[in-house]
Amino acid sequence: RKEVEQDPGPFNVPEGATVAFNCTYSNSASQSFFWYRQDCRKEPKLLMSVYSSGNEDGRFTAQLNRASQYISLLIRDSKLSDSATYLCVVKSANTGNQFYFGTGTSLTVIP
Amino acid sequence: GAVVSQHPSRVICKSGTSVKIECRSLDFQATTMFWYRQFPKQSLMLMATSNEGSKATYEQGVEKDKFLINHASLTLSTLTVTSAHPEDSSFYICSASKTGYPEAFFGQGTRLTVV
Repeated sequence: RKEVEQDPGPFNVPEGATVAFNCTYSNSASQSFFWYRQDCRKEPKLLMSVYSSGNEDGRFTAQLNRASQYISLLIRDSKLSDSATYLCVVKSANTGNQFYFGTGTSLTVIP
Repeated sequence: GAVVSQHPSRVICKSGTSVKIECRSLDFQATTMFWYRQFPKQSLMLMATSNEGSKATYEQGVEKDKFLINHASLTLSTLTVTSAHPEDSSFYICSASKTGYPEAFFGQGTRLTVV
């Protein structure tokens, strides 16, 4: 079983739409959770960390459900510039603080 | 935040030659750096963990004699792809963690093409 699983998509949505991505992780001892954004042929960049209480940054909302080992990212009022691959990333102390990456979910926002 | 610089960003080499990729932490010291490989439309796959002053820890299936890692200082790790073959063509990315920051900071990546 993979450490982190994501629906690869692709998600093609019109501008202004709301889109949600989901991710599950297998290590119940995982302690840190992130969403990264990766543009084509570029390195991943941190979009936001995910906290147990849920957190919001502008149009982006991230949620964590430890009981279900599930992480989500909600993007409201999608912009063309949101088109990218979104990576779910989990860090676990009991595996040497390694980062585990999901396969990424591809999003294309259409005019 | 933190800055991780990777060089070169793009390299084309002939089959059988070796290529060295550098990863530097510019504004912090990194005792541990990570090397990843990413094939098109796939996720980042951890190749090895680079530890300053000691041998790297390689993931299962990664040949340590082919992918040589050296972490001689607290700000520099290098990955050398030896005797490169076309199937080694990929996007190689390094990352480092900075004390006080839970997230990983990535270099810009190196696109290697072996012809």
